[in-house]
Amino acid sequence: ETGVTQTPRHLVMGMTNKKSLKCEQHLGHNAMYWYKQSAKKPLELMFVYNFKEQTENNSVPSRFSPECPNSSHLFLHLHTLQPEDSALYLCASSHPGGGSGNTIYFGEGSWLTVV
Amino acid sequence: AQSVAQPEDQVNVAEGNPLTVKCTYSVSGNPYLFWYVQYPNRGLQFLLKYITGDNLVKGSYGFEAEFNKSQTSFHLKKPSALVSDSALYFCAVRADTGANSKLTFGKGITLSVRP
Repeated sequence: ETGVTQTPRHLVMGMTNKKSLKCEQHLGHNAMYWYKQSAKKPLELMFVYNFKEQTENNSVPSRFSPECPNSSHLFLHLHTLQPEDSALYLCASSHPGGGSGNTIYFGEGSWLTVV
Repeated sequence: AQSVAQPEDQVNVAEGNPLTVKCTYSVSGNPYLFWYVQYPNRGLQFLLKYITGDNLVKGSYGFEAEFNKSQTSFHLKKPSALVSDSALYFCAVRADTGANSKLTFGKGITLSVRP
């Protein structure tokens, strides 16, 4: 148990579907993140939220739409995805303030397959 | 730009032998350094970090890492490897330059411990 819970753990969706990934953290953190992990590629930071405000969008295509209603919950809304979007999507959280050496804690990930 | 180099794709050791997983980094300013482990079909788990102080950092599961500023390295070590240590290991670095400092991950090294 990492304190960061992601659902669903596995998702298969067609290219015309709309689905969402959900993340909830129980660590009292105020920063939340979405990362993408693809085979044979480095971990890619997608979005960062600090105190519910988006502070970073790492040139992510608009077919990925994040939502952070409060500091404990983070969603990733998915629509009209492509097969190359198939990957492990990792949610993470930390205390805000990158310069203070805060540790980022990850969830177990959501495996997404686009068919 | 900051970066992390994990020069090997895979490290193979026999159970009971010492193990070393290498990491070198490049960053402007002082570094905050992290090691994470990822078991199959799981998210990333935090192992240990160096922020300041003693160059030898002890972490979870008997792992330790030594910060070497002159060699810009932060190698992960364990005196006696276990088969259960077999996993993917990520080194990461962040500069102590403020709240917007990003955490940069290496590509990961697969550790294989044979019985």
